[in-house]
Amino acid sequence: AQSVSQHNHHVILSEAASLELGCNYSYGGTVNLFWYVQYPGQHLQLLLKYFSGDPLVKGIKGFEAEFIKSKFSFNLRKPSVQWSDTAEYFCAVNAPHTGTASKLTFGTGTRLQVTL
Amino acid sequence: EPEVTQTPSHQVTQMGQEVILRCVPISNHLYFYWYRQILGQKVEFLVSFYNNEISEKSEIFDDQFSVERPDGSNFTLKIRSTKLEDSAMYFCAMRGGGNSPLHFGNGTRLTVT
Repeated sequence: AQSVSQHNHHVILSEAASLELGCNYSYGGTVNLFWYVQYPGQHLQLLLKYFSGDPLVKGIKGFEAEFIKSKFSFNLRKPSVQWSDTAEYFCAVNAPHTGTASKLTFGTGTRLQVTL
Repeated sequence: EPEVTQTPSHQVTQMGQEVILRCVPISNHLYFYWYRQILGQKVEFLVSFYNNEISEKSEIFDDQFSVERPDGSNFTLKIRSTKLEDSAMYFCAMRGGGNSPLHFGNGTRLTVT
């Protein structure tokens, strides 16, 4: 079974600071990787995803993530955060060949707080 | 992004009561899921549903839980006899075929007293 680790539970940054949130997964086979964001009081929204190809993927709102297979990592980055990026960020993985309805496994989430 | 509608947004119930959470399917979405998030904890998979049957369920999804989608209508999660520890945010999610991404609903906050 796959698992996901997010080591930063709570991150506080000032506006314009750079962001990197760590995500490591454990699974020996092919995986699809995702970052979701949950703004206060709202549903989970997809930020970006990696299936194959270029390991550096760009998502919405200036976010990007890099898949490093040798490190089993998929860290999320943003060069300059804004106050509106304050939210909970979840890394998730699924194993696409475990079945057509393969589930997502989520990390515990990282709460990002951006101060003015 | 397609909108997944869940009702109710907030449900308060007494321990031992039955609750039904509903999710309105998006056209052309084939795979349905329920996840839950206990306050302060991670999002946990409960069950996946495809072609009118359960594809996979977690150890959380015991005999007190059931899902159905009668006649292609709303996708529902029923908890037969709620416990205090069932208090959580329950998210419905769905996707189309292939590697299409999951779309989540706004969630139903269930409070069991």
